[in-house]
Amino acid sequence: EPEVTQTPSHQVTQMGQEVILRCVPISNHLYFYWYRQILGQKVEFLVSFYNNEISEKSEIFDDQFSVERPDGSNFTLKIRSTKLEDSAMYFCALGRGNTDTQYFGPGTRLTVL
Amino acid sequence: GDSVTQMEGPVTLSEEAFLTINCTYTATGYPSLFWYVQYPGEGLQLLLKATKADDKGSNKGFEATYRKETTSFHLEKGSVQVSDSAVYFCALRAKGAQKLVFGQGTRLTINP
Repeated sequence: EPEVTQTPSHQVTQMGQEVILRCVPISNHLYFYWYRQILGQKVEFLVSFYNNEISEKSEIFDDQFSVERPDGSNFTLKIRSTKLEDSAMYFCALGRGNTDTQYFGPGTRLTVL
Repeated sequence: GDSVTQMEGPVTLSEEAFLTINCTYTATGYPSLFWYVQYPGEGLQLLLKATKADDKGSNKGFEATYRKETTSFHLEKGSVQVSDSAVYFCALRAKGAQKLVFGQGTRLTINP
């Protein structure tokens, strides 16, 4: 199973601040995903990313969210102006093909105060 | 839209008991089905999967069979161990789609 690391493991921020969550794949993958899990709720899909483009996104992924892979390695999720309801665990996932198994990172717990 | 429903938790069993966690799904076409497990303090790990009807996924003593006629993918294990204590998630991926759709998760606690 490929290794995925995420940084930071826990981020605390004030409402309205920008945050950047990072995903570092250890092995080569082409497809990248972000999911989130609000406490006590289901894991929800946010976005998929392939070939430096968003390939699919959910209705949750509005204009305050963006993703990029700036250095060809790290995959980042930026939340421009955080809201209280953005508090959640954010998981990065990787896959080698668009229908391949997705492998998840350990998650970043985001707390918005 | 596509959805996954899991049995309500938490589930508490004694060591060596038989485990079943129910999972049913709603989807158009024939999705791929997955079970992921989340151990305390860790991320989601793929436990097993099945990509077509009647396929059986298995791993670490866990099994699940893709039942198209009942739209189910129940997770079973014959004899659970304390180390199986975790949260278990059933998920589907529709054919041609990339996103996974998850159930709400079932917390399992195994007592010695």
